[in-house]
Amino acid sequence: EPEVTQTPSHQVTQMGQEVILRCVPISNHLYFYWYRQILGQKVEFLVSFYNNEISEKSEIFDDQFSVERPDGSNFTLKIRSTKLEDSAMYFCARAGAIAKNIQYFGAGTRLSVL
Amino acid sequence: SQQGEEDPQALSIQEGENATMNCSYKTSINNLQWYRQNSGRGLVHLILIRSNEREKHSGRLRVTLDTSKKSSSLLITASRAADTASYFCATDRNAGGTSYGKLTFGQGTILTVHP
Repeated sequence: EPEVTQTPSHQVTQMGQEVILRCVPISNHLYFYWYRQILGQKVEFLVSFYNNEISEKSEIFDDQFSVERPDGSNFTLKIRSTKLEDSAMYFCARAGAIAKNIQYFGAGTRLSVL
Repeated sequence: SQQGEEDPQALSIQEGENATMNCSYKTSINNLQWYRQNSGRGLVHLILIRSNEREKHSGRLRVTLDTSKKSSSLLITASRAADTASYFCATDRNAGGTSYGKLTFGQGTILTVHP
């Protein structure tokens, strides 16, 4: 199955700025996820999104984070006021159309907060 | 330790040799998956084994699952230089229903295959 497309591939921002990371899945998919991977660490779950609603979120996903699918296609992760510790790779994933417990990942967005 | 811990952390072998990576987890699971990550890239799904399965094969990959020991192993036979990557196990603890839950990843094993 094809992966999702993430943009941008690299985002550099100043601390305190808002960033929006985008994920462009194929239409008709209902289950989406955001994960992050701090350099040298494990991939961590942030949030799952089903049928245009958050279905589960981790303790990392605090009030600074939000997700939405505003136009029915792009799936976005917004960080309102970035911190240095938000620097990481952010991965979007979607569940398979048939095998829904398999997740297909995008190439990621590298976020660098200065 | 946390859910989905792999060992070894790093493995260096020669082309043609077999590579075995292990994963342990703590809670009950629905399934366990193995993913591969090339440097700076996203994760690619390799294989899924359900909690009621003990062994599964896919090409040069062989996965075992021992739910009594809460452990799994990934064997790559006849390794190639192109197999060089990080390998992660991930567990799915979702209890069912209409949503499909998060994956919990381990720290990963960095595999280097020398030509």
